[in-house]
Amino acid sequence: EAQVTQNPRYLITVTGKKLTVTCSQNMNHEYMSWYRQDPGLGLRQIYYSMNVEVTDKGDVPEGYKVSRKEKRNFPLILESPSPNQTSLYFCASSLFGGLNEKLFFGSGTQLSVL
Amino acid sequence: LAKTTQPISMDSYEGQEVNITCSHNNIATNDYITWYQQFPSQGPRFIIQGYKTKVTNEVASLFIPADRKSSTLSLPRVSLSDTAVYYCLVGDRSYGGSQGNLIFGKGTKLSVKP
Repeated sequence: EAQVTQNPRYLITVTGKKLTVTCSQNMNHEYMSWYRQDPGLGLRQIYYSMNVEVTDKGDVPEGYKVSRKEKRNFPLILESPSPNQTSLYFCASSLFGGLNEKLFFGSGTQLSVL
Repeated sequence: LAKTTQPISMDSYEGQEVNITCSHNNIATNDYITWYQQFPSQGPRFIIQGYKTKVTNEVASLFIPADRKSSTLSLPRVSLSDTAVYYCLVGDRSYGGSQGNLIFGKGTKLSVKP
C-alpha cells in the first residue's frame, strides 16, 4: 500500500532535549516536505526536499533541521525544542514536487514540549 | 500577504449543496488549483484539481472563472461525514518561490449539521 509513515504518533518532551521525528514513503517520490499545524494558522511549511541531498527552507524553518540522505526518508530534527514548537506535524510527499501533483500526507505527529 | 483567501468557517445542513470560494489573485499562468480535505487528527487528502472552467469527480466539482483569480469548490448534498477543513492550494510564484515551496491557505472549516 502506498503510504507516508511518520513516527512517533505522539511525543512529549522537555525543553532542550533533542528529538527526531521520522518520515518514510514507499512510493519512490522525489519530493518530501514537513508542515506544522497550529490552531487558526492552518498548515505552514517548515522544510522541503526536491531530491536526495537537496533541501530548502519553507515558511517557518527556525528551530528545525532536516536531512535527506536517501530518497525514502526525510527526518525532522529539533536540536533544542522549545514550547513554541508544540504543534501537530505532518510529512508529505509527491512524485516531483510539482504544483500540479497530488500530495500524500502522513497521519501526523502530535508534539508537546514542556 | 496571504497567498490564498478563504472563509474561515461555513455551516451547512445535511443534503444541501456547499460552495467554498478561494481567492488567489497572484496565481501564475501555469499553476493549477488544488483542493484538499482534512479530518480532525488526520493528514490532508487530495479532493480535486483544475486549471480552468469546470472539473468534476465523484466527490466534488471545481469551478474556475476565466481570469482564474478565484475558484469555487462545490460539494453536492453534503452529509455529516463531510465535516472537515478544506484547503485551497496554489503555487508560491509571486514570492519567487521555487517549485517546492507549496503554500496552503488557512482553510475553511465546514460544519455539517443534521
